[in-house]
Amino acid sequence: QKEVEQNSGPLSVPEGAIASLNCTYSDRGSQSFFWYRQYSGKSPELIMSIYSNGDKEDGRFTAQLNKASQYVSLLIRDSQPSDSATYLCAVKRGGNNRLAFGKGNQVVVIP
Amino acid sequence: DAGITQSPRYKITETGRQVTLMCHQTWSHSYMFWYRQDLGHGLRLIYYSAAADITDKGEVPDGYVVSRSKTENFPLTLESATRSQTSVYFCASSELTGSGNTIYFGEGSWLTVV
Repeated sequence: QKEVEQNSGPLSVPEGAIASLNCTYSDRGSQSFFWYRQYSGKSPELIMSIYSNGDKEDGRFTAQLNKASQYVSLLIRDSQPSDSATYLCAVKRGGNNRLAFGKGNQVVVIP
Repeated sequence: DAGITQSPRYKITETGRQVTLMCHQTWSHSYMFWYRQDLGHGLRLIYYSAAADITDKGEVPDGYVVSRSKTENFPLTLESATRSQTSVYFCASSELTGSGNTIYFGEGSWLTVV
């Protein structure tokens, strides 16, 4: 079982709709969870971090964490064409400060 | 605020040659990382360093060498480049703060081995 899994294929959403991305992780000891956005040909940039169960909102982004079920999700409300990118889920397991990344989900927002 | 800079940004080299990718950060972050990113594999950790003179292997270290004599620099060397090392390489840095951390990435180095 991979450490971090993002299984959904490319996601196409109309402009203004909600994009929903999911991520599961294998290590119950994982402590911190992150969503990175990566535009084509660019480096990943952090958009959300979440450390405790529940929801965390930042602008149009909401991260949701459920440690019992070992999943973390990202919602993008009022999707804009500028949100078209690959979204990477990342998990920090312990004190070594390393992140394990999922393969990413491509989001395409259709005007 | 220069952040993290990588050089070269683009490199074509021949099989068997030694290549060094440079990484420099201006934040004095303790941790530095090297990732490679390939289609179908996502970001994979090659090596990381918790401080100067402390390095450790990541997920895919074979064929790579790192050093960290100064906090701000973390070069990655491919001792004898192979075609399978054609990839995009990202250097990153972070400072451990409480239960979380934020990893900041450099702009990437595109390496092609022919």
